[in-house]
Amino acid sequence: GQQLNQSPQSMFIQEGEDVSMNCTSSSIFNTWLWYKQDPGEGPVLLIALYKAGELTSNGRLTAQFGITRKDSFLNISASIPSDVGIYFCAGQPNAGGTSYGKLTFGQGTILTVHP
Amino acid sequence: GAGVSQSPRYKVAKRGQDVALRCDPISGHVSLFWYQQALGQGPEFLTYFQNEAQLDKSGLPSDRFFAERPEGSVSTLKIQRTQQEDSAVYLCASSTVDSATNEKLFFGSGTQLSVL
Repeated sequence: GQQLNQSPQSMFIQEGEDVSMNCTSSSIFNTWLWYKQDPGEGPVLLIALYKAGELTSNGRLTAQFGITRKDSFLNISASIPSDVGIYFCAGQPNAGGTSYGKLTFGQGTILTVHP
Repeated sequence: GAGVSQSPRYKVAKRGQDVALRCDPISGHVSLFWYQQALGQGPEFLTYFQNEAQLDKSGLPSDRFFAERPEGSVSTLKIQRTQQEDSAVYLCASSTVDSATNEKLFFGSGTQLSVL
């Protein structure tokens, strides 16, 4: 099946530093999403990307949809302690023109922020 | 409540027992999804409902897994004769029908199933 390779697996940074993580796929996705998951909770959507080349920001978060449709990255600027958590990329192909939430998730990036 | 509600939060089962996991989606959300998240992994798709119709069950790992949503609202995921490999967090998500934005899934907190 489709696989998403997310890197790095984990990051340990100081408060105030910028963070970058990325996701690559062996096949094309037409939608890329980035989620954050806190312990004991479900994933929460951060950013959704719908067009190749699209660059979208949400506060201190910026994400881009790669031109090849096979990759995406997420940047977090000026990290703060509450950024701690697991970040997942997710992709959705089009299935015969039908669009619904059958997402393929990456393995996640565990982010630790030291005050 | 305003979000997706799942119960129980934790379930411990002996191998071979049947379990039932419940999901209350956000009111008015037509689409409902079940995902399975193994420890240290991302969620994996199990099945999808639009109203009461189960449109995709391609992710269900075996015929021991069964999901239903008889009235198009609450859904139940049932696992028969549980095995240790079924241990995982089971996440439910819902979304609106809007085809442009229905990838915006709202997840519940999940049910953590441990099979001993």
